[in-house]
Amino acid sequence: AQKVTQAQTEISVVEKEDVTLDCVYETRDTTYYLFWYKQPPSGELVFLIRRNSFDEQNEISGRYSWNFQKSTSSFNFTITASQVVDSAVYFCALHGSSNTGKLIFGQGTTLQVKP
Amino acid sequence: SQTIHQWPATLVQPVGSPLSLECTVEGTSNPNLYWYRQAAGRGLQLLFYSVGIGQISSEVPQNLSASRPQDRQFILSSKKLLLSDSGFYLCAWSSGQGHTEAFFGQGTRLTVV
Repeated sequence: AQKVTQAQTEISVVEKEDVTLDCVYETRDTTYYLFWYKQPPSGELVFLIRRNSFDEQNEISGRYSWNFQKSTSSFNFTITASQVVDSAVYFCALHGSSNTGKLIFGQGTTLQVKP
Repeated sequence: SQTIHQWPATLVQPVGSPLSLECTVEGTSNPNLYWYRQAAGRGLQLLFYSVGIGQISSEVPQNLSASRPQDRQFILSSKKLLLSDSGFYLCAWSSGQGHTEAFFGQGTRLTVV
């Protein structure tokens, strides 16, 4: 069975602090895909990143960076110099080798960035 | 570019009434389509997905059904709503080719009273 665990339910930081959101996944597929989505208060899910299981290179996009480690089945997300606009619920998701594109989501981490 | 439209944005319905939520995608053909539900304070659960017209797969037994009458149209329905059907419903699409990301609609907040 596939599973995604986001152990941090809520995180609160002060603006300009760095924050890391944890994601641990379980799958028996040798080929799989990992995602991060942001859900602002408006409710729509915004796609942030996709990573396939063959690519363990870390990625940086502006203040966002992702650390993918197959050895620990983790795909963590770091926001550097957080801003109030980063306040949202962040979801980690997984889908396996089937071509249906079904996503298994973690429970989400609510990030509150205080001014 | 591709866009996804989902309506209505909010809905308050009495118990036992029918439901119809509609989702359409523009700018792509033969997409995979999905309905997810997000209960208050919880993660997203996949309800239905479709890889083609008339092809519907249900992920969890429930009081809801889905239909795909056209390539880019996905409808979520119920004949009689239950209180437990309350939640935030999100439609999404992904390319039918390869393992790409899914893009989500604005969502419908359904309250059954």
